[in-house]
Amino acid sequence: KQEVTQIPAALSVPEGENLVLNCSFTDSAIYNLQWFRQDPGKGLTSLLLIQSSQREQTSGRLNASLDKSSGRSTLYIAASQPGDSATYLCAVRLGDMRFGAGTRLTVKP
Amino acid sequence: GAVVSQHPSRVICKSGTSVKIECRSLDFQATTMFWYRQFPKQSLMLMATSNEGSKATYEQGVEKDKFLINHASLTLSTLTVTSAHPEDSSFYICSASPAGSNNEQFFGPGTRLTVL
Repeated sequence: KQEVTQIPAALSVPEGENLVLNCSFTDSAIYNLQWFRQDPGKGLTSLLLIQSSQREQTSGRLNASLDKSSGRSTLYIAASQPGDSATYLCAVRLGDMRFGAGTRLTVKP
Repeated sequence: GAVVSQHPSRVICKSGTSVKIECRSLDFQATTMFWYRQFPKQSLMLMATSNEGSKATYEQGVEKDKFLINHASLTLSTLTVTSAHPEDSSFYICSASPAGSNNEQFFGPGTRLTVL
């Protein structure tokens, strides 16, 4: 059974820092991997989707990488801002989607 | 495009009552819809997958008689929590996959259920 782990569970950084969030999964036979943002009490906002054949995707200050063979993905956030404060979830898909528990990010002004 | 709505956004009910949550795809037809449950500070857990016009497929450990899912049209799926108990209090999120999208999912804003 696919298990998805996110480290760290929580992270607090000062504004302007670059940071990396980690996601690992146990079964490398995935169709794609997706990073989401979730604000408190809200639904999910898709940030980046990486197909299994891709190595990375970029959108603005966000860059996500995928190493399928090692079962790892990272989300890099450049020049963090207080508005980036949220929980970041990664999810892998093979048939259905399996989510990690998320990393709660706080960016302090 | 690809907007999914849920109604209600928040509901409080008494123990023993039933609650219906609606999930709608507003600008596309969804052949498949998914229902997730999220407990505080935990991951989203898939409860069931529903295909329009057929019975839902439930994940292991999810009681199909307690969580009734109906996907009667290509734009609407409903989740009914029957005889709700306090332990059913959770955040319920649906997602919808457009026809021909190979199951790419678009998520609704979620429904917060509190059972007293």
